[in-house]
Amino acid sequence: NAGVTQTPKFQVLKTGQSMTLQCAQDMNHEYMSWYRQDPGMGLRLIHYSVGAGITDQGEVPNGYNVSRSTTEDFPLRLLSAAPSQTSVYFCASSKGFNEQFFGPGTRLTVL
Amino acid sequence: KQEVTQIPAALSVPEGENLVLNCSFTDSAIYNLQWFRQDPGKGLTSLLLIQSSQREQTSGRLNASLDKSSGRSTLYIAASQPGDSATYLCAVVSQGGKLIFGQGTELSVKP
Repeated sequence: NAGVTQTPKFQVLKTGQSMTLQCAQDMNHEYMSWYRQDPGMGLRLIHYSVGAGITDQGEVPNGYNVSRSTTEDFPLRLLSAAPSQTSVYFCASSKGFNEQFFGPGTRLTVL
Repeated sequence: KQEVTQIPAALSVPEGENLVLNCSFTDSAIYNLQWFRQDPGKGLTSLLLIQSSQREQTSGRLNASLDKSSGRSTLYIAASQPGDSATYLCAVVSQGGKLIFGQGTELSVKP
């Protein structure tokens, strides 16, 4: 199993550009989620999904969109990048309330 | 609103020492609690998951305890080694598999 994979590893955007961060898991996990990690703020939940076709907002959803058309994939879309979205983004998955597994992260810089 | 606190924020110990990391949470209505390790610039590695009905969980030199009624969890590391140096994060698992993280304890084990 590859576990949870994320692409790209690094990305630099200009203010106003849009992009999609990819997340995939091959463990048949129903639950998937996106977090961002910032110095002094810790890890905060952006969006989460409890199954294909079902998504909900977390603590800091503004400026981000998600969709879940398959069990395996949970992409995160930045609609119009802002410098405040400079962060490290982590995707996670779990089978229900069992152990959660994290991807290696995407380091995003918005200029 | 659930809040998770980890004390201390940083800890430096000599190799071989036994140590305890603390995690407290304000709302006892949790599903599970999970401890993670994060090395600098890396993703999160799961260490232990304690189900809400459990009191403790062990893996090798690690032992985690959970007291829901008092809103506390501890991570005990026996015979610490320089390779244990990392940031340790605790997270409570709430509805939808959402994780609410503490700010972490940065551990340094000196040879």
